[in-house]
Amino acid sequence: DAKTTQPPSMDCAEGRAANLPCNHSTISGNEYVYWYRQIHSQGPQYIIHGLKNNETNEMASLIITEDRKSSTLILPHATLRDTAVYYCIVRVANAGGTSYGKLTFGQGTILTVHP
Amino acid sequence: DTAVSQTPKYLVTQMGNDKSIKCEQNLGHDTMYWYKQDSKKFLKIMFSYNNKELIINETVPNRFSPKSPDKAHLNLHINSLELGDSAVYFCASSQIPQREGTSTDTQYFGPGTRLTVL
Repeated sequence: DAKTTQPPSMDCAEGRAANLPCNHSTISGNEYVYWYRQIHSQGPQYIIHGLKNNETNEMASLIITEDRKSSTLILPHATLRDTAVYYCIVRVANAGGTSYGKLTFGQGTILTVHP
Repeated sequence: DTAVSQTPKYLVTQMGNDKSIKCEQNLGHDTMYWYKQDSKKFLKIMFSYNNKELIINETVPNRFSPKSPDKAHLNLHINSLELGDSAVYFCASSQIPQREGTSTDTQYFGPGTRLTVL
């Protein structure tokens, strides 16, 4: 799976948009970009994923650059409950063989939302 | 209803003991996982099972033995516990798509089991 690079930490004011960047310059054509987050003392939670088109769901939006070498997760109106570690993961959607379903977590970005 | 549940939530034990952590999912998924998160917060996969068959074993010591009695359960038994085994263990489940590249196998995680070895 392609390696990702994320800033170690970011701050955001409550009610403002939080834009979390991720670089994945070695991404392959069949690899998706996934975002998970981990709120303190909880298990990781799926947020969104995409291949090349921008995606939006009830939690966030995912913007992927045209060359697919980077992406941005957008939380449109951050709340205090969005304070968490956000992980950007690149992998094939259905990885067979020894990578079956495997998620490789990096260090992620610690997002702190303040009042 | 909790989608992925783990018991116990906390486990404190002495070095050398044997302990088990249980995981159950009610999502009807065919694949389950164990992840370990150490004190530095690195989250790393240990095992995955698909339809009760071991698929991934990420060079985990033989003291760790996963067991999947059915598709809804994946238990983790640890023999001869060591100080370095202290961590938070997360169970997860997903449904692997039939064909590669189609849809996604979103993983759902349990709340974690904090294991402390004294």
